[in-house]
Amino acid sequence: NAGVTQTPKFQVLKTGQSMTLQCAQDMNHNSMYWYRQDPGMGLRLIYYSASEGTTDKGEVPNGYNVSRLNKREFSLRLESAAPSQTSVYFCASTTRDGTYGYTFGSGTRLTVV
Amino acid sequence: EDQVTQSPEALRLQEGESSSLNCSYTVSGLRGLFWYRQDPGKGPEFLFTLYSAGEEKEKERLKATLTKKESFLHITAPKPEDSATYLCAVQLFGSQGNLIFGKGTKLSVKP
Repeated sequence: NAGVTQTPKFQVLKTGQSMTLQCAQDMNHNSMYWYRQDPGMGLRLIYYSASEGTTDKGEVPNGYNVSRLNKREFSLRLESAAPSQTSVYFCASTTRDGTYGYTFGSGTRLTVV
Repeated sequence: EDQVTQSPEALRLQEGESSSLNCSYTVSGLRGLFWYRQDPGKGPEFLFTLYSAGEEKEKERLKATLTKKESFLHITAPKPEDSATYLCAVQLFGSQGNLIFGKGTKLSVKP
């Protein structure tokens, strides 16, 4: 099915460990985004890539890095995980101006202990 | 500071009891306002985009409207399957497509 695919769906890390969250879309979208969702906080933008070859910081980028590997794939890396990064992470993609809405993946639930 | 506020935080309705969810915004240069539905354990699902004051869009029992300061999501004769969290988000001019989300309204519809 066409859409946004995120892996893994669940992950438990120890403080200080690193990991990469993967995201791929097959809708030929130009723009891709990483959000985190915390109870009572709503969705907050971590990083985004407006087009292939570009990445920019969002509202809460500290502790994260991203790579736009190609037009389809946009990964999020935690270099040294902290308990404050326990959250649900969503990847999204859209056409360049978002006219037809944003398509979200099903999320990665990350727990840092 | 750009801000999106949704109310109420939670809403409990009986099946068939119509109501409205509110999304108020204080932003500089609104390009579009988006409504999403989110079911537990899933990603947000796109419902509507509104671009100008006075615009309305409908989908089944849902109708979204937009004014210069707020948007309403009207739910007519809701069914239990309409139970979900409804998210509002705004897109600003010059934002490269980034969305600013409200915290959502959790809707429960009881049979």
